Amino acid sequence: DTAVSQTPKYLVTQMGNDKSIKCEQNLGHDTMYWYKQDSKKFLKIMFSYNNKELIINETVPNRFSPKSPDKAHLNLHINSLELGDSAVYFCASSQVPGGQTYGYTFGSGTRLTVV
Amino acid sequence: KQEVTQIPAALSVPEGENLVLNCSFTDSAIYNLQWFRQDPGKGLTSLLLIQSSQREQTSGRLNASLDKSSGRSTLYIAASQPGDSATYLCAVTDYGGSQGNLIFGKGTKLSVKP
Repeated sequence: DTAVSQTPKYLVTQMGNDKSIKCEQNLGHDTMYWYKQDSKKFLKIMFSYNNKELIINETVPNRFSPKSPDKAHLNLHINSLELGDSAVYFCASSQVPGGQTYGYTFGSGTRLTVV
Repeated sequence: KQEVTQIPAALSVPEGENLVLNCSFTDSAIYNLQWFRQDPGKGLTSLLLIQSSQREQTSGRLNASLDKSSGRSTLYIAASQPGDSATYLCAVTDYGGSQGNLIFGKGTKLSVKP
């Protein structure tokens, strides 16, 4: 009964490929997020969706496109992968934007390696 | 722009010691502050959440304090154990990021030696 689940856990792919990462939460939360953890272990937000609507879109290349088919799912599609995209991508959710009252719940991450 | 700093970057202590991890943030207008734990190759586990109106939260051997006016939080771990070895991350949600931007520090890597 994982709260926030991401697939795949590991992804190794060649430069130039297109790949997707999927995220699902069964907490009934309204808001979902994608965070990127770089090689120096620093976590930074990429996107946030509230009830399927995009509310945060940080400075991320256009090659990254999030999609939220419903409020329990948030997927991340990456086109034309580059070496610099190698990182761990975390999905998270909160009951409302800003994580008031109950904070944020994170998935276990997807380690993307571009070769 | 909100910035979160954690000191020290790494800490090594013998088992049984009490220890304090520090977190500071530049803008006191926050909704809440959350402490996470990250084990190598794993996701983030939420430890404690402190709302902006609260001064501290406790869970077992962990106690987190918040002084919003000075922009500081501490995570106190009592009677440390080898199983406490992990990276501890502090993060705030501020009004400027009212749409949900959780801003992280770079973490403190804790090693507890038997």
